Amino acid sequence: NAGVTQTPKFQVLKTGQSMTLQCAQDMNHEYMSWYRQDPGMGLRLIHYSVGAGITDQGEVPNGYNVSRSTTEDFPLRLLSAAPSQTSVYFCASSSRRTGDYGYTFGSGTRLTVV
Amino acid sequence: AQSVTQLDSHVSVSEGTPVLLRCNYSSSYSPSLFWYVQHPNKGLQLLLKYTSAATLVKGINGFEAEFKKSETSFHLTKPSAHMSDAAEYFCVVSESGTGGFKTIFGAGTRLFVKA
Repeated sequence: NAGVTQTPKFQVLKTGQSMTLQCAQDMNHEYMSWYRQDPGMGLRLIHYSVGAGITDQGEVPNGYNVSRSTTEDFPLRLLSAAPSQTSVYFCASSSRRTGDYGYTFGSGTRLTVV
Repeated sequence: AQSVTQLDSHVSVSEGTPVLLRCNYSSSYSPSLFWYVQHPNKGLQLLLKYTSAATLVKGINGFEAEFKKSETSFHLTKPSAHMSDAAEYFCVVSESGTGGFKTIFGAGTRLFVKA
């Protein structure tokens, strides 16, 4: 089925560990983004990309890195996990850079840092 | 400055009664407005969107929203609630500017539906 695929669905990390959250889309969307969702705070943008080779920071980029080597993939790297990064992470894609087509979201990765 | 305010963190209705989820926004340009729904442990799904066409927008599952520029509101309604509507709903504003486009999510409204 066409859409956005995120892996893993669940992850527990120890403080200081690193890991990569995977995101892939098969809709040939230009725009991809990573959000974190925390209770009572809606979704906050971490990083985004408007095409292969182009990335930029969102609202809460500290502690995260991204790259976009292909149109399909947009991995999110946690460099040194901290308890404050415990959250649910969503990857989203869109077919227009202006965002007025709306996003397709993945099913999320629930991350716990202990 | 761009912002989104969902006026109720929780709304509770009985099955078969109308649903009203309220959203106010502020935007410096002509925004695109969206409502998304999130069922427990799921990703967000687009319900409907306003992008400067008709001010009354119809979405999936019987939901609709009306863009009122004078009131800077984009409230979500449904004539008759169903148990399957119980979920969290997010109002979203997106606008293009000189620095590209920016999308802001509201904090969400959790809808409870009583039998």
